[in-house]
Amino acid sequence: EAGVTQSPTHLIKTRGQQATLRCSPISGHTSVYWYQQALGLGLQFLLWYDEGEERNRGNFPPRFSGRQFPNYSSELNVNALELEDSALYLCASSPRTATDTQYFGPGTRLTVL
Amino acid sequence: EDQVTQSPEALRLQEGESSSLNCSYTVSGLRGLFWYRQDPGKGPEFLFTLYSAGEEKEKERLKATLTKKESFLHITAPKPEDSATYLCAVRARGSSNTGKLIFGQGTTLQVKP
Repeated sequence: EAGVTQSPTHLIKTRGQQATLRCSPISGHTSVYWYQQALGLGLQFLLWYDEGEERNRGNFPPRFSGRQFPNYSSELNVNALELEDSALYLCASSPRTATDTQYFGPGTRLTVL
Repeated sequence: EDQVTQSPEALRLQEGESSSLNCSYTVSGLRGLFWYRQDPGKGPEFLFTLYSAGEEKEKERLKATLTKKESFLHITAPKPEDSATYLCAVRARGSSNTGKLIFGQGTTLQVKP
């Protein structure tokens, strides 16, 4: 069974640009979660999508946004990039809404210059 | 405020030298405690889920236990391939916590041959 996949693996942007990160959940999973792991910091919860709707978001500014598509894949958009947005962005999925173990993908390394 | 603290931050062991990693938590109501393993530059790999005090889970050389205030990850006779960062996360009660895992900073384990 294929795990969570993310693309691209690496992404380099400059300050002020926009970044788009993509995630495909494990087949049969309907919930997708996004986390940020900045250097030296723990994983911080960003967003949770289920059945196409945003269900919860962490303590991040509105320039972090996303969506979930009918096939349950998801996209994270970061607008007006800042240097401190440089981090590993991790996507996870679970089979039901918010009560099950979250399985993580390999992450997208975003570097903002 | 819901919080997860892991100790020690780093641990060096000789191959075969057993030890324990600690995860203490302060949450309004525990809905699950999760252990993950993360290799450098990769996404977290799920190990265990624990739900209630007294619960134990085992997998190969790893055993996770849970009390009302903390969890331990016991590593018996570790091998070099057990070297990784071990992450503890909790899910807490409350509408603002739905879908969200709160992570500790992790314990980086190095096992020398």
